[in-house]
Amino acid sequence: EVQLVESGGGLVQPGGSLRLSCAASGFTFSNYWMHWVRQAPGKGPVWVSHIIGDGSATTYADSVKGRFTISRDNTKNTVYLQMSSLRAEDTGIYYCARLGFNWGQGTLVTVS
Amino acid sequence: IVMTQTPLSLSVTPGQPASISCKSSQSLLHGDGKTYLYWYIQKPGQSPQLLINEVSRRFSGVPDRFSGSGSGTDFTLKISRVESEDVGIYYCMQAIHLPWTFGQGTKVEIK
Repeated sequence: EVQLVESGGGLVQPGGSLRLSCAASGFTFSNYWMHWVRQAPGKGPVWVSHIIGDGSATTYADSVKGRFTISRDNTKNTVYLQMSSLRAEDTGIYYCARLGFNWGQGTLVTVS
Repeated sequence: IVMTQTPLSLSVTPGQPASISCKSSQSLLHGDGKTYLYWYIQKPGQSPQLLINEVSRRFSGVPDRFSGSGSGTDFTLKISRVESEDVGIYYCMQAIHLPWTFGQGTKVEIK
């Protein structure tokens, strides 16, 4: 069974940094693109970033480009989201996702 | 790609059917033959849960009262007989091109 477990969220001041982690299990992690999706309070989901299986290519939403960095460690079956220069509008629940399967339970990031 | 859902809210009597439309601004049919349209439900206080893969394939454990149909740019999610546990916000999502984009969401309530 595919499982994704996010961690690393918390309360951070504007301009601060945070690193999110997503531990994956139940599939051959290195074979799949992984994504981060976020959801601001009371709003719909918004795609944030993606990384291909071997980590050699990444893409970002315009709203986070230059501030967020996605990476992965295929030896640990984990994908990361390094977030810096955080803004109030980055507040929300961050989900790790693999297309075609349920997302994780999410980790809450509050920038205040 | 812009995803447009209608209606934005729905109040349904238990046991009655419900239908949600989702239209994309571009065709979601890929050259590999797949159509990258997905449906999720977000129940109160929970993370979004996958209902339907690639237009019409129910995800594991999803009751067969849920069905998806459509092609190209027009898609529909149908619930044959709404139950109280179906309350939540339903989102369509396209994944043919990055960034993934979502419909505005349809809030389903029980009368």
